[in-house]
Amino acid sequence: DAGVIQSPRHEVTEMGQEVTLRCKPISGHDYLFWYRQTMMRGLELLIYFNNNVPIDDSGMPEDRFSAKMPNASFSTLKIQPSEPRDSAVYFCASSLVRGRSPLHFGNGTRLTVT
Amino acid sequence: DAKTTQPNSMESNEEEPVHLPCNHSTISGTDYIHWYRQLPSQGPEYVIHGLTSNVNNRMASLAIAEDRKSSTLILHRATLRDAAVYYCTTNTNAGKSTFGDGTTLTVKP
Repeated sequence: DAGVIQSPRHEVTEMGQEVTLRCKPISGHDYLFWYRQTMMRGLELLIYFNNNVPIDDSGMPEDRFSAKMPNASFSTLKIQPSEPRDSAVYFCASSLVRGRSPLHFGNGTRLTVT
Repeated sequence: DAKTTQPNSMESNEEEPVHLPCNHSTISGTDYIHWYRQLPSQGPEYVIHGLTSNVNNRMASLAIAEDRKSSTLILHRATLRDAAVYYCTTNTNAGKSTFGDGTTLTVKP
């Protein structure tokens, strides 16, 4: 298995532009999570899905952020419009069974908003 | 969500055992305890998990206190490749894992 695949690895964009981050979870995993990591705030859970349905989006910072999971093998996290304070590493993770199963993380997308 | 507390940093000598502590005093009865580690420029990597009993795998051992309010990750013989940030999390039945600040482990040759 190739693991969780995220793209792009690096994204540099200007303030105000739309940014779309992509994630392919491990096949057969029912749960998908989006995390954001910064030096100041550490690893924060933004949103997670179960069987393609958003379960908890309480960590999404504001309306500029949206996430979708149109099918079991693909998810996107969109920021529109982007701001410099959105600069961070964004991780996608998937797991098989809630609670008991470990999270499998991708290598992340490093986003820089200038 | 249960909050976890870990020391900011720890040091170890190569080939010596390392005990990394974690407090999770607000853990609920059905929450699992998970440990991950993160190397620079990589995503967190699963190390071990448990519910009540101590656990062993090829990477490490996990010792869970009887009251489940704390746990200890044990690396039996630290190597230079074990230098990383180690996170202890509690994973709820709702599927949420909340990460604390982690412990930065430095391994000295």
